[in-house]
Order: sequence, then C-alpha cells, then structure tokens
Amino acid sequence: QSALTQPPSASGSPGQSVTISCTGTSSDVGGYNYVSWYQQHPGKAPKLMIYEVSKRPSGVPDRFSGSKSGNTASLTVSGLQAEDEADYYCSAYGGSNSFVFGSGTKVTVL
Amino acid sequence: QVQLQESGPGLVKPSETLSLTCAVSAHSSSSGYYWGWIRQPPGKGLEWIGSIYDSGSTYYNPSLKSRVTISIDKSKNQFSLKVSSVTAADTAVYYCARLRDVHFDYWGQGTLVTVSS
Repeated sequence: QSALTQPPSASGSPGQSVTISCTGTSSDVGGYNYVSWYQQHPGKAPKLMIYEVSKRPSGVPDRFSGSKSGNTASLTVSGLQAEDEADYYCSAYGGSNSFVFGSGTKVTVL
Repeated sequence: QVQLQESGPGLVKPSETLSLTCAVSAHSSSSGYYWGWIRQPPGKGLEWIGSIYDSGSTYYNPSLKSRVTISIDKSKNQFSLKVSSVTAADTAVYYCARLRDVHFDYWGQGTLVTVSS
C-alpha cells in the first residue's frame, strides 16, 4: 500500500487556476470513485474539500473541483485566493476497508 | 457540528506502548459511523493507521497491523489507539477523525506524540 503520488509543489497568481494531480493504481484511485481531497494549513488539522472524486461538502467554495481519469485524480482550484495557500492531500479507498493518502502538494499563491 | 478531541501522553519511551483516546462530542453519538486514526510525522504527509466501526470491527494499515489496536467505548462516546513497541519513527501528530462512507469528514485538532528516552 504505497502512498499516492502528488507533485511536491504548485503555484499560481491570485485569480488564476492551479491543478494538482494524484496518481495511484487500479487498486485504489482507478478502482473506485472514492477519491477525497484535504486542505491543511500550517499547524492545523486537515479539512475535507472534495469527496467521491467531485463532490463538495457544504461550505466549500465552488472554486474547488475534482475529477478523475484512469488511475489519476485531480483537484483544481480556480480563482486562486491568498487563503488557498496550504498543503493539499488526496486520499483513495484501497478496498477491504483500507485507505491510502497522497504525498502532499504545497500550493503557493504568488 | 461534530467535535473530536485527542488526548494522551505527549512523550513515550522507545519500546513502550503509545496510547491515545479520542472523545466524540456529546451531541454526536459514536453510533452508526466508522472512526479512524491518521498520523503525520513532522514535516511529512498523512498516513492512515486504521479504522473501527461502532460494532467493534477493525481495519488496520498492513504496515502497522502487528503493532496497532483500535477499540471503542460507546458508553463514553470515545475510541482509542494503542501502538506497541514504538520507535522514533512513530513520532508524529496523531489525528482522530470520523469516517463517513469512504472519506474523513470531521477531524480532531491532533496531538503530537514524541518517542524519546
């Protein structure tokens, strides 16, 4: 059960869009539509931003969107704002009630 | 609003057992959900440790399974984590979270556990 692969960093100017990838295998990302994304500010607990690939919990801005193609899921943040600067982690269901997280991506707002 | 709060020793000696408890807010019963533990070593990513249903069924990360025990006490609205034979590699912030279907929707604030003599 290896960690999902994410780029270490991504950046964009305010108002721009940034997309983060999350690559797994056919046993996790590709096998189920159960990918979730979490935002983590320094010293804080992770916050659920996207679940089941593309669903947004109540209160999460629609600037955040998710998608999946094959073994790779993606999180797009549109209209970047200063408060979006954080670490982002993907997570996928791996079958048999197991879960795996991604390696994390630091998003910088330039 | 569901609230979770981790508690336990912040310092554990090598080879000993790490024990943490997660209290679930009184207005949110622990019944009918899965609950999980996730950890994050300093400066590193998140790692799923394991999950438990209110029936007591448990599921563990294969890499930790031999050392981890998760239990639940519904009467106290809390669940617990034990990690045996700890080493410095177990130093991390430990989070408890509610597992709704297949995503973690509510998290505790986390508690740092350092393994050191």
